[in-house]
Amino acid sequence: DTEVTQTPKHLVMGMTNKKSLKCEQHMGHRAMYWYKQKAKKPPELMFVYSYEKLSINESVPSRFSPECPNSSLLNLHLHALQPEDSALYLCASSQANLVVTGELFFGEGSRLTVL
Amino acid sequence: GESVGLHLPTLSVQEGDNSIINCAYSNSASDYFIWYKQESGKGPQFIIDIRSNMDKRQGQRVTVLLNKTVKHLSLQIAATQPGDSAVYFCAEIRGFKTIFGAGTRLFVKA
Repeated sequence: DTEVTQTPKHLVMGMTNKKSLKCEQHMGHRAMYWYKQKAKKPPELMFVYSYEKLSINESVPSRFSPECPNSSLLNLHLHALQPEDSALYLCASSQANLVVTGELFFGEGSRLTVL
Repeated sequence: GESVGLHLPTLSVQEGDNSIINCAYSNSASDYFIWYKQESGKGPQFIIDIRSNMDKRQGQRVTVLLNKTVKHLSLQIAATQPGDSAVYFCAEIRGFKTIFGAGTRLFVKA
C-alpha cells in the first residue's frame, strides 16, 4: 500500500467547475510534488514544494493552483479547466534534498476528466 | 532540449527469461539516475538508482548499468516474472526535479 494518499481517485468536472485534488503523506517528507501524466506518456513535473514553500512551477497555467497547508498536505485547486487537462494527476513526496536520496514516493493518482 | 529517452516502447519476454530495458540520456553533466516501475492503475515505484561514480549496481533480481561514454543506462531483470509486467521509466535527478524518460512497456508471456 502506498504511503501517499490521494483523493479523489476519479473526478469528472465541467469547464466552469472549481474542484480540488488532495494529497497526504505521513513519512515526514519535506518535499512534495504534483505531476501530470497523460496516457502512455511519462509523468511531467508541474510543481515542487520544499518546506511548505513553492520552489518550482514548471510554467503551469494559472487554472492550476497548488497549495501546501502544512508539511503533510498538498492540494491542487482546479478552475476553468480545458478538456486537454484530462489526465492522471500524481502526487509524490521525498526527502527534502534529492541529491542525497532521490527516491520519490508516489500516490496512486487522481484521474481527472474535463467535459 | 535535453531529454531522457528510451530505445524501445515495448518489450515482450518469456517468463523466466532475462529482460533488458535501455535508456539514453543527452545531458552529459547528469550524475544521478533512477529506474521506476509503474503498474496499471498505480503511481511509479522506485526500483534502483545509480550515480555517475558507478558503472553497475545490483538489487534483488535487478541490475542497472551506466555507460557514461555513450550516455546510456540499462535495467536488467533476471528470471522475469508475470509480476514484472509494467511500464519502466528511467529518470534523471536534476536538483529538485526528477525528469522521466518516455517509458518501456514490459510484457511477460507465461
